[in-house]
Amino acid sequence: DVKVTQSSRYLVKRTGEKVFLECVQDMDHENMFWYRQDPGLGLRLIYFSYDVKMKEKGDIPEGYSVSREKKERFSLILESASTNQTSMYLCASSLSTSGNTIYFGEGSWLTVV
Amino acid sequence: QQQVKQSPQSLIVQKGGISIINCAYENTAFDYFPWYQQFPGKGPALLIAIRPDVSEKKEGRFTISFNKSAKQFSLHIMDSQPGDSATYFCAASWSILTGGGNKLTFGTGTQLKVEL
Repeated sequence: DVKVTQSSRYLVKRTGEKVFLECVQDMDHENMFWYRQDPGLGLRLIYFSYDVKMKEKGDIPEGYSVSREKKERFSLILESASTNQTSMYLCASSLSTSGNTIYFGEGSWLTVV
Repeated sequence: QQQVKQSPQSLIVQKGGISIINCAYENTAFDYFPWYQQFPGKGPALLIAIRPDVSEKKEGRFTISFNKSAKQFSLHIMDSQPGDSATYFCAASWSILTGGGNKLTFGTGTQLKVEL
């Protein structure tokens, strides 16, 4: 079974703090993704990585950066957390081509106070 | 710009009834249309998916109907059960050959509640 593991399920951070969200997948997938989920807005793509050290902006990259130093690990970084970044963050992975199942982690609930 | 529009936002169905969720898309380059199911506290999981070369795909009680000319697709859940209560997301992506990779664009979600 594919497993996408998000190390932190619940976090509370202060405005201005630097926040790291970590994600690991165990299926040797080329693609990894970070989505943000908000009520009424669905899932919105923040960043996408199709290979080690490669990244591509999604629909809402502002205020976020990512790091992919190893194939199995994809990190989302909030350089200076703000209250409007309070949300659920979902990491996902898949094989490279369209039509391959995208597997999601269980999500990281981030509250910025 | 919302490329995949989903309705309704919420839906209440009686046990044994049919649940229908609709999606419409704008980008004619989309060539893969999955539906994801999400239970509270969990990440979304693939439920069923369709390519535009067929008009319908059925897996158990779940059916996708696809209308390419109207740029619409829908999920039908037959004999709906309380265990089907979840949030459902439609999505779409396009082939890496035309630059889409495997990035999904999601609808806004439908909260389904199946009552006894």
